[in-house]
Amino acid sequence: DIQMTQSPSSVSASVGDRVTITCRASQGISSWLAWYQQKPGKAPKLLIYAASSLPGGVPSRFSGSGSGADFSLTISSLQPEDFATYYCQQANSFHITFGPGTKVDIK
Amino acid sequence: QVQLQESGPGLVKPSETLSLTCTVSGGSTSTYYWSWIRQPPGKGLEWIGYISYSGSTTYNPSLKSRVTISVDTSKNQFSLKLSSVTAADTAVYYCARFFPTGEYFDYWGQGTLVTVSS
Repeated sequence: DIQMTQSPSSVSASVGDRVTITCRASQGISSWLAWYQQKPGKAPKLLIYAASSLPGGVPSRFSGSGSGADFSLTISSLQPEDFATYYCQQANSFHITFGPGTKVDIK
Repeated sequence: QVQLQESGPGLVKPSETLSLTCTVSGGSTSTYYWSWIRQPPGKGLEWIGYISYSGSTTYNPSLKSRVTISVDTSKNQFSLKLSSVTAADTAVYYCARFFPTGEYFDYWGQGTLVTVSS
């Protein structure tokens, strides 16, 4: 199975900061990568699919990039509601794995 | 708007079978794929498996020997059975819709905590 890693595992940032999280797959997955945001006690919420596409309703300050094995999620200007844990996910050959998560908290 | 709701016992004894049901509203289980994902307390997400609109299933290899996912399209529900549970199976269990063309989960249930304990 494809393994996913994320870095950093946690980041402390301030409102207005630009934050970038990276995700690496153990082998190439084309652009089939999704990102989720999870707040404590809540279900994950889809932020990005196909590496760079935003579902309706997701603010434009979120963006994704990458292909192959290396991907990134960027929050251009961190807002108070963005403090959460972020997970990447791949589904190569329909066996699905998630990254270990990156927690974004308040500096 | 598609909504999913998990239901089932919150406490299961070791060695017994965990059984959960997900009820779908605003969408049909006769389309898309339907999945179970779990999250142990304080840990990350683990995909358990999914069932397609045609009834075919795919499971996480690490759980395959203990997992069964089924669908009841007449009730617009799908279900999870996990046998021979141990304390390591204690987790919040989520049901979710999997969009196979884009390979992502677009709708999630709120999750239900299942504790394995005697």
